[in-house]
Amino acid sequence: DQQVKQNSPSLSVQEGRISILNCDYTNSMFDYFLWYKKYPAEGPTFLISISSIKDKNEDGRFTVFLNKSAKHLSLHIVPSQPGDSAVYFCAARISNSGYALNFGKGTSLLVTP
Amino acid sequence: GAVVSQHPSWVICKSGTSVKIECRSLDFQATTMFWYRQFPKKSLMLMATSNEGSKATYEQGVEKDKFLINHASLTLSTLTVTSAHPEDSSFYICSARGGRALDEQFFGPGTRLTVL
Repeated sequence: DQQVKQNSPSLSVQEGRISILNCDYTNSMFDYFLWYKKYPAEGPTFLISISSIKDKNEDGRFTVFLNKSAKHLSLHIVPSQPGDSAVYFCAARISNSGYALNFGKGTSLLVTP
Repeated sequence: GAVVSQHPSWVICKSGTSVKIECRSLDFQATTMFWYRQFPKKSLMLMATSNEGSKATYEQGVEKDKFLINHASLTLSTLTVTSAHPEDSSFYICSARGGRALDEQFFGPGTRLTVL
């Protein structure tokens, strides 16, 4: 049962524009959310995270928004760069339950020049 | 950031053989290590969680006798796929949690296993 869902398998954005990657979750016990970036044949690298007590966290070009009532979060990348092209995974965890992560299926982002 | 390595990065083996994959935290002591597998176009699925010096906790549906996990030290965990079959072909990724960043997991580069 997929508790973290990324319903868009792919997204194409022009360089300089905003990329918005969406993620939905079903388990209301999740209290910490993370975004990872992954290149083929490599492990995921951590991008940005947000605790359930916040609704926004910003780090440079990356901003994550959390809407707890809708069980929805999104990652905004602005401005998008060709080097951002990768697969982005949304992950969630229950902090007092061992720190194991539940991942979505990922969204493949392509930023075109 | 913290570095996690995996060895080998890829392996091809015959059906029925066993394969060992190593996961090392290079510059921090890992309180906990996690093993994931990823099938093509699928999400990373947690297989097991291991703490140093204790038995691994396996997720539902993961055969503990098939996927042996040893976490003998704070910097090394191994996953052994015993009597591998073609359906075990997958991308196996470990992650480690520990050091100063207890809130984060640092992922290894993954191991591509192909069973012929």
